[in-house]
Parts: sequence; C-alpha cells; structure tokens
Amino acid sequence: DAGVTQSPTHLIKTRGQQVTLRCSPKSGHDTVSWYQQALGQGPQFIFQYYEEEERQRGNFPDRFSGHQFPNYSSELNVNALLLGDSALYLCASSSRGLNEQFFGPGTRLTVL
Amino acid sequence: AQKITQTQPGMFVQEKEAVTLDCTYDTSDPSYGLFWYKQPSSGEMIFLIYQGSYDQQNATEGRYSLNFQKARKSANLVISASQLGDSAMYFCAMGSSGGSYIPTFGRGTSLIVHP
Repeated sequence: DAGVTQSPTHLIKTRGQQVTLRCSPKSGHDTVSWYQQALGQGPQFIFQYYEEEERQRGNFPDRFSGHQFPNYSSELNVNALLLGDSALYLCASSSRGLNEQFFGPGTRLTVL
Repeated sequence: AQKITQTQPGMFVQEKEAVTLDCTYDTSDPSYGLFWYKQPSSGEMIFLIYQGSYDQQNATEGRYSLNFQKARKSANLVISASQLGDSAMYFCAMGSSGGSYIPTFGRGTSLIVHP
C-alpha cells in the first residue's frame, strides 16, 4: 500500500518564476492538505482540498493556489516566487471525518 | 485561535533511558485533538500518537505515551527505552473543532539519543 507521494523531491527556481508541486494521497484517502515548513519552524497550513474544492485556507496570499483532481491527487501552485518561499512543502492526506493525517516526504523548494 | 508551545529547542538522552518532551496548548474549543509527529532528517513527518480531548485515558503506542493533563493544558510525549533511531525533530500539534481539526504545529524539539 503506497503512502503519500510527492514530486519533485527538490526544486530550484528564481524570483518571479512559477512552480507546481504534486501530491498523490495514500490509498483510500480523499482529503489533501498542503503545508509550508520554513527552516527551523513547524509546518504552517496552506490549504485543504476535498471533493476537488478548497475547503480550508491558512494565512497565505493568493499567489498560493491549488487543485484537486478526480483521483484525489493534488497540485500546489505558487506564482511570482519570492526568496521567502524557500521551504519544505509537505502534503498530507486523510479521510474525511478522521483526524489522523499521513504526510509525504515533501518537496524542498529553493528560490534564488 | 489555537496555539501550541514547545519550550525545549533541544533535548539529549542516553540510549535505553526514557525522555519527556514538553508541549502546552491553548484553545477555547471544548473538542480538540493533540498529535505528536517525528520528523527525521529526511523530512517526512511520521505520525506517532493521538489524544482526543474527551479521552479518559492517556494514549499509548508502543514505546510512546502521551501524558495528557487537561487542567494544565499540557500534552507531553514520553518515549521509553530510547533508541539511536529516535534522534529526530519532534512536533506537537493540535486540531480543534473550531478550526475543522486542521492541526497547528509547535516549533518542535530536537532530540538526540547518545549511545
């Protein structure tokens, strides 16, 4: 049973560029959440998708957007990248109504 | 609003000894859940243990136990018989009914297990 998978594992971009990160949830899970983890910090919630719609959103600007596909996989898009967007981006999946989230290995984004 | 505080930036423990990682929380919601995650250097967050606010008994999962003191709003993680592989960052998190159980994480505690 595959767990949560994310791609790519590492990414280097320059300021102003756009990036797309991808996540496949654990089998049987229908809800995907995205987190940003800056160096030395705990993960910060970006948003959560369920039934292909954004259901909850944290305190992140509109430059951060997402999408969920019918197979429950998800994308995180970040436009107009800033140096401060450099972080580990974690995807977590869960089943609606259950509290436990399973995390993927993350995508480490570096913005130069 | 919900808040998680982990006051220990780093902890050291001898192999085979027990260690307690501190976590305090703040919420006005009566229904909430407390989580502990382990994050090795590889980056993946590994779920360890969960405690619901209405659970009467402290949660246990193998060598992990959660010392839940509701009146003090604390949810400390106890790791018994520490192993070298336990060296990692440990994060306490809380999700409450008012926040749709989206977890808020603390800043983490770095645990180093010495042989």
